[in-house]
Amino acid sequence: AQSVTQLDSQVPVFEDAPVELRCNYSSSVSVYLFWYVQYPNQGLQLLLKYLSGSTLVKGINGFEAEFNKSQTSFHLRKPSVHISDTAEYFCAVGRMDSSYKLIFGSGTRLLVRP
Amino acid sequence: EAGVAQSPRYKIIEKRQSVAFWCNPISGHATLYWYQQILGQGPKLLIQFQNNGVVDDSQLPKDRFSAERLKGVDSTLKIQPAKLEDSAVYLCASSQGASSTDTQYFGPGTRLTVL
Repeated sequence: AQSVTQLDSQVPVFEDAPVELRCNYSSSVSVYLFWYVQYPNQGLQLLLKYLSGSTLVKGINGFEAEFNKSQTSFHLRKPSVHISDTAEYFCAVGRMDSSYKLIFGSGTRLLVRP
Repeated sequence: EAGVAQSPRYKIIEKRQSVAFWCNPISGHATLYWYQQILGQGPKLLIQFQNNGVVDDSQLPKDRFSAERLKGVDSTLKIQPAKLEDSAVYLCASSQGASSTDTQYFGPGTRLTVL
């Protein structure tokens, strides 16, 4: 079975500062990895995904994430955040076999302050 | 391109009452998902449809929850009778295919409060 751990429930940061949101996973099989963002009163939107190839993945809105197989991590980073980045961020894993199901972490609330 | 539509956006009911949620996926998307998102947690898959067939309903509390996707397009999720612990946001998502690599597009959700 897979599991996803987002250790930080909330990350406060000042505008224009860099940020890293942490995600660790466990799985008995190889996985695909995803980051979704949820703005207030909206559904989830895909930020980026790792399927194969380069371990550094670039997504929308200036976000990027790096897959580290040895540390089973997929941390999300942005070099300079904006007020508009305030939202809930979810890490998710999907199995690299016939299974289709995504398992989501509990989320990290990014709070960007002026 | 229109996104995933859900209604109602908010619903307040008393325990033991019944409630139904509606979802209209993105046109042409064969796969439809219903998720339950309890406050402070990530979404949990309740049921997945491929066209009008159920692919996975292993986490659907079948004694009280039911879902259908007639004609492989719209879908409804019903709870009868509702319990206090059913208070959550119910998210509908759709994707073109059924693989975990297919991007899932989410609707805005229905926030259910059970009193």
